[in-house]
Amino acid sequence: KNEVEQSPQNLTAQEGEFITINCSYSVGISALHWLQQHPGGGIVSLFMLSSGKKKHGRLIATINIQEKHSSLHITASHPRDSAVYICAVRWPLQGGSEKLVFGKGTKLTVNP
Amino acid sequence: AAGVIQSPRHLIKEKRETATLKCYPIPRHDTVYWYQQGPGQDPQFLISFYEKMQSDKGSIPDRFSAQQFSDYHSELNMSSLELGDSALYFCASSSQGLYGYTFGSGTRLTVV
Repeated sequence: KNEVEQSPQNLTAQEGEFITINCSYSVGISALHWLQQHPGGGIVSLFMLSSGKKKHGRLIATINIQEKHSSLHITASHPRDSAVYICAVRWPLQGGSEKLVFGKGTKLTVNP
Repeated sequence: AAGVIQSPRHLIKEKRETATLKCYPIPRHDTVYWYQQGPGQDPQFLISFYEKMQSDKGSIPDRFSAQQFSDYHSELNMSSLELGDSALYFCASSSQGLYGYTFGSGTRLTVV
């Protein structure tokens, strides 16, 4: 069982729609990342969150530490937003190191 | 601003050959993480290094080895390549005690 669950797995929207992607995790974390990956491309870090809410352009990310849940919102979606969006959590390990655990991603397709 | 540099961007090898992938972290980042992402799969953690010492080990095959050098760059050595090793290999760097991760664009390895 993946310890980071994302929903939905696939999402198709029309240009201009408001998009929400959800991420839930099972244990305490030190931070959560929202990442974007275009087909065949590398990974781009969109947000890093440890509490509250962050906004960058049309993207908004929120996290509720108590509920172990985060959401990524895209306002006024555009076809260029089509990509896989991945939630990744940072888990502290013994000895001071940590590891990054990825969700399986949400494939977003925005049609014109 | 400097990003995480990976080389080469693309690599084609034959079965049973050897490959070496390189990752140059953000300046002053002391931790490097390697991930493998198969076609249509979520990234899988392979191995990480902190201050030139292995800090965590994931699902890295015994045919693979890695190290971090004095200038903090890291190399992933892959021997006896198999068709199933075809994947996107990307690295990320961070600074212990700080939250930011930066991801490289990845090396796409194709084993034929």
